[in-house]
Amino acid sequence: SQTIHQWPATLVQPVGSPLSLECTVEGTSNPNLYWYRQAAGRGLQLLFYSVGIGQISSEVPQNLSASRPQDRQFILSSKKLLLSDSGFYLCAWRSPGTDTQYFGPGTRLTVL
Amino acid sequence: QQPVQSPQAVILREGEDAVINCSSSKALYSVHWYRQKHGEAPVFLMILLKGGEQKGHEKISASFNEKKQQSSLYLTASQLSYSGTYFCGTERRLNNNDMRFGAGTRLTVKP
Repeated sequence: SQTIHQWPATLVQPVGSPLSLECTVEGTSNPNLYWYRQAAGRGLQLLFYSVGIGQISSEVPQNLSASRPQDRQFILSSKKLLLSDSGFYLCAWRSPGTDTQYFGPGTRLTVL
Repeated sequence: QQPVQSPQAVILREGEDAVINCSSSKALYSVHWYRQKHGEAPVFLMILLKGGEQKGHEKISASFNEKKQQSSLYLTASQLSYSGTYFCGTERRLNNNDMRFGAGTRLTVKP
C-alpha cells in the first residue's frame, strides 16, 4: 500500500531564516506530487506540483521554491522566511491518470 | 477558479442531517470531497466524475450536477465523529493538476 511522509511535523523558525520541508511517497512509482499551504482557519492553496523528476510547476509567485530530486521525493524550500509564510504545509500525491489525490500528515510552520 | 462552498459553518445535534454545497463558475470534470479534523490532514471521502452521479460513504453521500456545475454533500443522522471542516476540490480536466479547493465548511456535531 502507498504511504506518504512529511517532516518535520512542526517547525518554528525566525524571520529571514531558510526553510526545507521534505515529502516522500512509498509504494508507488512516478506519482504526481503537490505542495499546498493552509493558513490558519483558511482553505487549501496550491503552491507547486510536479509530474516527474526535475519538473516543477509554480502556481503562486512567492519566496518559496520546490524541487524533486528523486521520483518519490518532493522538497519545499525558502531562502528567507517571511511572517506570512506561517501555516500548515501539506504534501499530496496521486498516481498519473487516476483521479484521487491523497494528503500527507502535514508540517505546521510558525515564523516568528 | 476557486469553488464556492456554503454554508461556511453549521452546528448540528447528533442524529440531525446537513447539506454542504459546492459550486463552480467553470465546467467541471470532477468534484472531490475531503474532511479535515482540527490539526490534521484532509482525509479523502469521495470523488464524483459524472453529471448526476451520486456516491455514498457510510451515511455520507454526494451528488454532482454537471449542468449546474454544483455538488452537494449530504450527511444523514450525523454522528459526533462527523465534526470537522469539509472541503470540496474541483477539477476541469483529468490530469490537469489544477484542483482548486473551496474555503471549507466547518461542521460541529453536538451531543
